[in-house]
Amino acid sequence: SAVISQKPSRDICQRGTSLTIQCQVDSQVTMMFWYRQQPGQSLTLIATANQGSEATYESGFVIDKFPISRPNLTFSTLTVSNMSPEDSSIYLCSVGGQASYEQYFGPGTRLTVT
Amino acid sequence: QKEVEQNSGPLSVPEGAIASLNCTYSDRGSQSFFWYRQYSGKSPELIMSIYSNGDKEDGRFTAQLNKASQYVSLLIRDSQPSDSATYLCAVKGGSGGYQKVTFGTGTKLQVIP
Repeated sequence: SAVISQKPSRDICQRGTSLTIQCQVDSQVTMMFWYRQQPGQSLTLIATANQGSEATYESGFVIDKFPISRPNLTFSTLTVSNMSPEDSSIYLCSVGGQASYEQYFGPGTRLTVT
Repeated sequence: QKEVEQNSGPLSVPEGAIASLNCTYSDRGSQSFFWYRQYSGKSPELIMSIYSNGDKEDGRFTAQLNKASQYVSLLIRDSQPSDSATYLCAVKGGSGGYQKVTFGTGTKLQVIP
């Protein structure tokens, strides 16, 4: 499986500010996914990021709040904009495996908004 | 009705016993099924994938799929304290699209030494 890294691993941010999370993969992948996992809950897909096209957002998530960049086949960023305490969560980057059916996760970014 | 349902637990089993984790899904068009293990404070780790009806074994883990009953299970034989984690069932495909993966809320497993 691909090796996935995320930066930062954790951050504490003030309300109203923005944070950009980076996801780096050690091999080229077509599709990258961004998930959110709120405390005690399961994973919710925010958006799918394909290189060379606009990200596809799931219901309840909008580009103005969660802009995504996908400049090449090994890198993506997710920005959490105008943060509120409700954005406190773990944000996870995920990529498809060689078989394309499987998905693997990065280590996550733990965000706390005060 | 939730798309992927799991009992939240905790499921407590003694060390050495078989742990049985269950999952049901609502979308009959779902094509791929996965079990992830998530330790507290860590990201999910893929441990099993299954695509066709029947059993699939990998070491101490056996995944079982019954598409007619829309049911997926994970058996962990000879459970160890290190197996204590939350196990997430995930389902891919169906009406949500080929690449869409939907996760259950997870079952917390506690293996008692």
